[in-house]
Amino acid sequence: GQNIDQPTEMTATEGAIVQINCTYQTSGFNGLFWYQQHAGEAPTFLSYNVLDGLEEKGRFSSFLSRSKGYSYLLLKELQMKDSASYLCAVRDSNYQLIWGAGTKLIIKP
Amino acid sequence: ETGVTQTPRHLVMGMTNKKSLKCEQHLGHNAMYWYKQSAKKPLELMFVYNFKEQTENNSVPSRFSPECPNSSHLFLHLHTLQPEDSALYLCASSQDGPGQGSYEQYFGPGTRLTVT
Repeated sequence: GQNIDQPTEMTATEGAIVQINCTYQTSGFNGLFWYQQHAGEAPTFLSYNVLDGLEEKGRFSSFLSRSKGYSYLLLKELQMKDSASYLCAVRDSNYQLIWGAGTKLIIKP
Repeated sequence: ETGVTQTPRHLVMGMTNKKSLKCEQHLGHNAMYWYKQSAKKPLELMFVYNFKEQTENNSVPSRFSPECPNSSHLFLHLHTLQPEDSALYLCASSQDGPGQGSYEQYFGPGTRLTVT
């Protein structure tokens, strides 16, 4: 079967750095996505990786290792507004998205 | 209106009721999706429409019936639902195409459905 694993919940301090991991086992691979979802709101697109390596976008970076079936989302200089759930999703060989259950990130002052 | 809109935002219905959820995308995309989101579970893809044709139906019970009259509008018709169908129903759209472009999905705010 297809599976996406990510921690259920993480806690970090304002101003610090946090890394959210995602491991996947899917039927084929056509890219990995990270989305942010604030409570009661729609998921919003953060990043896309299809080749190995690090993609940087401001305070957020996403890393992919296809051989290890592994990705992480790195958030720097954490702000209170970064408190949200972070969803990892992999596009499989049929170009359908397989979603993880999400990681709830709690930021403390 | 911009992006993806959904109505209603909240819906409470009895098990014998019939209701419909509406989604509209203002992005000119050619694909639309219905997802179910339950607490602490992954997003569950329910239906996919590409160019108004249904291309995916992930073994969804027949009490959920989708309709896509054009590439901008998507409906989810609900009848004789069960309490376990209570969840957040999200609509999304994307511009699909060949190759490995990101073609990320844009989500609406969702309809919070409670079945009593």
